[in-house]
Amino acid sequence: DAMVIQNPRYQVTQFGKPVTLSCSQTLNHNVMYWYQQKSSQAPKLLFHYYDKDFNNEADTPDNFQSRRPNTSFCFLDIRSPGLGDAAMYLCATSGTRGYGYTFGSGTRLTVV
Amino acid sequence: AQTVTQSQPEMSVQEAETVTLSCTYDTSESDYYLFWYKQPPSRQMILVIRQEAYKQQNATENRFSVNFQKAAKSFSLKISDSQLGDAAMYFCAYRGMEYGNKLVFGAGTILRVKS
Repeated sequence: DAMVIQNPRYQVTQFGKPVTLSCSQTLNHNVMYWYQQKSSQAPKLLFHYYDKDFNNEADTPDNFQSRRPNTSFCFLDIRSPGLGDAAMYLCATSGTRGYGYTFGSGTRLTVV
Repeated sequence: AQTVTQSQPEMSVQEAETVTLSCTYDTSESDYYLFWYKQPPSRQMILVIRQEAYKQQNATENRFSVNFQKAAKSFSLKISDSQLGDAAMYFCAYRGMEYGNKLVFGAGTILRVKS
């Protein structure tokens, strides 16, 4: 089945230690998104790629960066995680306009 | 900028009963899409139902249906014959036609189903 896969499902990292979350898709969608979601809140868009065109949200901290080496993969890098960065990180993809996003299962990040 | 408002932080429904979740939105666009997403605890967000703004007919997917009132900018979700598996956070979302056409989410409504 075509899908969006996020690895790992759970990630524990130390305060200040760089961490990378990964997302892959088999849908061949040209747009990929990264969201941060804290408990019982709506997802907050961090950035998205339209093909290789990177789009950062104005309030996304500099601590968060992303890479998209090809259509299928996208990575979220957190350079120096703080306690406030503990959250669920959701990857989503989008193809044709008018359709909703397809979400991955998310990576729950814990910072210790 | 578009905004989506879900005024019900939590709702409860008895199993087999019907419940309606409210959503209003604000936009200056004439063409757009509206969605309801379901997110069970610690599980994947999945699309429940989708509505095109240019269609007057309300979308229906099995036990899920919407009441789309374009003039009032209202988009409520009705769940009939509620089941325990319907318990989740429900997000209403808007997607416009501008470049990037990002999803704009409401704050969400927690739905509890009582047996």
